[in-house]
Amino acid sequence: DAGVIQSPRHEVTEMGQEVTLRCKPISGHNSLFWYRQTMMRGLELLIYFNNNVPIDDSGMPEDRFSAKMPNASFSTLKIQPSEPRDSAVYFCASSLVLANTGELFFGEGSRLTVL
Amino acid sequence: AQSVAQPEDQVNVAEGNPLTVKCTYSVSGNPYLFWYVQYPNRGLQFLLKYITGDNLVKGSYGFEAEFNKSQTSFHLKKPSALVSDSALYFCAVRDPSGAGNMLTFGGGTRLMVKP
Repeated sequence: DAGVIQSPRHEVTEMGQEVTLRCKPISGHNSLFWYRQTMMRGLELLIYFNNNVPIDDSGMPEDRFSAKMPNASFSTLKIQPSEPRDSAVYFCASSLVLANTGELFFGEGSRLTVL
Repeated sequence: AQSVAQPEDQVNVAEGNPLTVKCTYSVSGNPYLFWYVQYPNRGLQFLLKYITGDNLVKGSYGFEAEFNKSQTSFHLKKPSALVSDSALYFCAVRDPSGAGNMLTFGGGTRLMVKP
């Protein structure tokens, strides 16, 4: 069974450009999470979805960030306009809410560099 | 609110020696506790979890963790370290009364195993 698939793995862009990161969760999982990892701030939860519905987006840094989950097999995280401080590794994770004990399965991450 | 503390940024151990990576948590109810490992340029991988039952939990790659309710700790241990265990380790906690499978991660501890 394929794991969580993220694309692109690496993205280099210039300040002000729009960035879209994509995630395909594990089939059958009904929770999806977007995390950001930096040296300074560690691992931060940005937003998570249950059954395609955003439950908690309090970690989204500002209005430049938006996330969607149009169906159970796809999610996007968009940054518009991007800034150098957005440079980080962005992880997507999925989980099956079963008896409330399910662990998270992470993708390999998308490394974003904003120049 | 739930929180996790990993008091050591880095742990150094010689190959063949036992290792311990420390984790303490704060949660209102009975916690669900997790350990994840991250190798360079990879996503986080699940190692083990404590939900209920035996306080000593065994996981992947020979790792184990001991849940101590009185000390609110969940330290990760391995009897004999390998060089290949060198990685970044994250402890995470979940409050079962919360929605979905939202985990709160600690800041991570870098384990360096030297030959």
